[in-house]
Amino acid sequence: QSALTQPPSASGSLGQSVTISCTGTRSDVGLYNYVSWFQQHPGRAPKLLIFKVSNRPSGVPDRFSGSKSGNTASLTVSGLQAEDEADYYCSSFAAGSNYVFGTGTKVTVL
Amino acid sequence: QVHLQESGPRLVNPSGTLSLTCTVSGAPASRNWWSWARQPPGKGLEWIGEIHHPGTTNYNPSLRSRASILVDESKNQVSLSLESVSAADTAIYYCVRGFDNSFDDWGQGVLVTVSS
Repeated sequence: QSALTQPPSASGSLGQSVTISCTGTRSDVGLYNYVSWFQQHPGRAPKLLIFKVSNRPSGVPDRFSGSKSGNTASLTVSGLQAEDEADYYCSSFAAGSNYVFGTGTKVTVL
Repeated sequence: QVHLQESGPRLVNPSGTLSLTCTVSGAPASRNWWSWARQPPGKGLEWIGEIHHPGTTNYNPSLRSRASILVDESKNQVSLSLESVSAADTAIYYCVRGFDNSFDDWGQGVLVTVSS
């Protein structure tokens, strides 16, 4: 199984928005509504931001939102804050009872 | 509050077996899904496999022949074994709790280096 495709980098100014894409196939993102997004700061473990495409766990600000269309999922971070500068990874449940992660996107807050 | 702590040898010889243990606190190991994931230094995440006690397991097809995940209910631990390792298996290994086909609690991770 191949990793989901994400842009290597994305950036936005303080207070603005940034959207990250996550492209898979008809066997993962396109087949299941089990797309998740994770935030990872340097030297730290990933943190769950979004599950089941658009659901936020308790404690995650509503500045983080997720969506999906066809084989591509997206994460939007609104009202960018300095602490949002991090790496972001998507993941999807896949055919054959597997999980696949995205290639990762480094978000820079300008 | 679930806490996951990975432990095990930090250095493994090439062709040897990587063995890690995840000690779970705050949740019963027998009643959740548990995954292992890894991240080579400076690179992206890779899912290794998952288990739901007593014996339902799923593995990444690329690692299925070498990986084994078990739950020790008496110790509330989840273990990972990876056989025939090479330098390509050098990575930070994470123990993760499964949640609604996602991963909500992560251990801090442990860096395992494969080298002689």
